[in-house]
Amino acid sequence: SAVISQKPSRDICQRGTSLTIQCQVDSQVTMMFWYRQQPGQSLTLIATANQGSEATYESGFVIDKFPISRPNLTFSTLTVSNMSPEDSSIYLCSVVPGGSTDTQYFGPGTRLTVL
Amino acid sequence: DAKTTQPPSMDCAEGRAANLPCNHSTISGNEYVYWYRQIHSQGPQYIIHGLKNNETNEMASLIITEDRKSSTLILPHATLRDTAVYYCIVRARSNTGKLIFGQGTTLQVKP
Repeated sequence: SAVISQKPSRDICQRGTSLTIQCQVDSQVTMMFWYRQQPGQSLTLIATANQGSEATYESGFVIDKFPISRPNLTFSTLTVSNMSPEDSSIYLCSVVPGGSTDTQYFGPGTRLTVL
Repeated sequence: DAKTTQPPSMDCAEGRAANLPCNHSTISGNEYVYWYRQIHSQGPQYIIHGLKNNETNEMASLIITEDRKSSTLILPHATLRDTAVYYCIVRARSNTGKLIFGQGTTLQVKP
């Protein structure tokens, strides 16, 4: 498996502002993903973070709202832009370490509240 | 990826086996069954996965029917700390790696 950390663990933000969430892994990984979990709901994939190129977004998610960076094989950021209360969610990164397995492992999540 | 169906909730007595069912009647030959759990707003935790043979690890056992249309996750001796939402996910290993989460089963382990 891999040890995954996220910063911040939680935040309270004002509407109209932006927040950047960091995901750090203790080893190089093949794939990194960002998910959103709205209150009382299951997880929804936002995008696949591609190393050295633009992220691949799922239907309903756009780069202007959720810009993603992945400068290397151990680190990625997700920005939630121009926030509204509807963006209040838990944001989770996940990784596939690669090698002989393609099992996906999740970080602890970032709990975002937008006022 | 094939769709899965799970009961929304289940109860289990502490110390007893918890058997969580999952239906995946449209599963394809190259699709695996994965199980994750999420303990109160933490990140999902990988439990186990399998293709067609039964699998066991330190956390649980996975029983897949011969026709692969359903499976059961077994927690042999449930504890209060096993209270969580359990997700059954079917995914082909050849795809882009993303997981499609359903609503899962909320397991409540009671003393």
